Amino acid sequence: GEDVEQSLFLSVREGDSSVINCTYTDSSSTYLYWYKQEPGAGLQLLTYIFSNMDMKQDQRLTVLLNKKDKHLSLRIADTQTGDSAIYFCAEFYNDMRFGAGTRLTVKP
Amino acid sequence: DTEVTQTPKHLVMGMTNKKSLKCEQHMGHRAMYWYKQKAKKPPELMFVYSYEKLSINESVPSRFSPECPNSSLLNLHLHALQPEDSALYLCASKGQGDTEAFFGQGTRLTVV
Repeated sequence: GEDVEQSLFLSVREGDSSVINCTYTDSSSTYLYWYKQEPGAGLQLLTYIFSNMDMKQDQRLTVLLNKKDKHLSLRIADTQTGDSAIYFCAEFYNDMRFGAGTRLTVKP
Repeated sequence: DTEVTQTPKHLVMGMTNKKSLKCEQHMGHRAMYWYKQKAKKPPELMFVYSYEKLSINESVPSRFSPECPNSSLLNLHLHALQPEDSALYLCASKGQGDTEAFFGQGTRLTVV
């Protein structure tokens, strides 16, 4: 199976909060990342968290890391239609490995 | 300059063609990566170069041949590809000790 796992789909209404979850297996990972990919585009780094941190907030984005459970989440506050995309979590140790991606759909 | 530039953006090639994908960065990063991404799938690591030397080859078929001629440039030479090789090919670079890996916009390859 994959080293990094995510649920595949999430649908929310505009203005609601979105929470995208991820589990990883490599406890040696130094950094954990969230990337956004819009249709036909490359990967856009949204935020990252160092493995010795529990939480990081960056404007509408909040990343929570539970290192004991190897669980990472991304919360997007006040979700907008422009947030509709695929969101990948990724872990980095010697190289970067991606989860399957969560397709976020934001309905007006 | 925090860009990773990939050319071409789109490429259509026949199964007997030879073509090359190019990736360039001028951030002084010494780790460079090739990823393959099929539709609706996550990027899959193909190759890692560290200080211009191939450090990881994820069992990629020999019809894909990477080359890192200098610290700013990474090529992927393609020969005798199959239609199932059609995908988005992403290049990335990362500086030692840096937190962020920078990705290019990718080359969308179609093999006919």
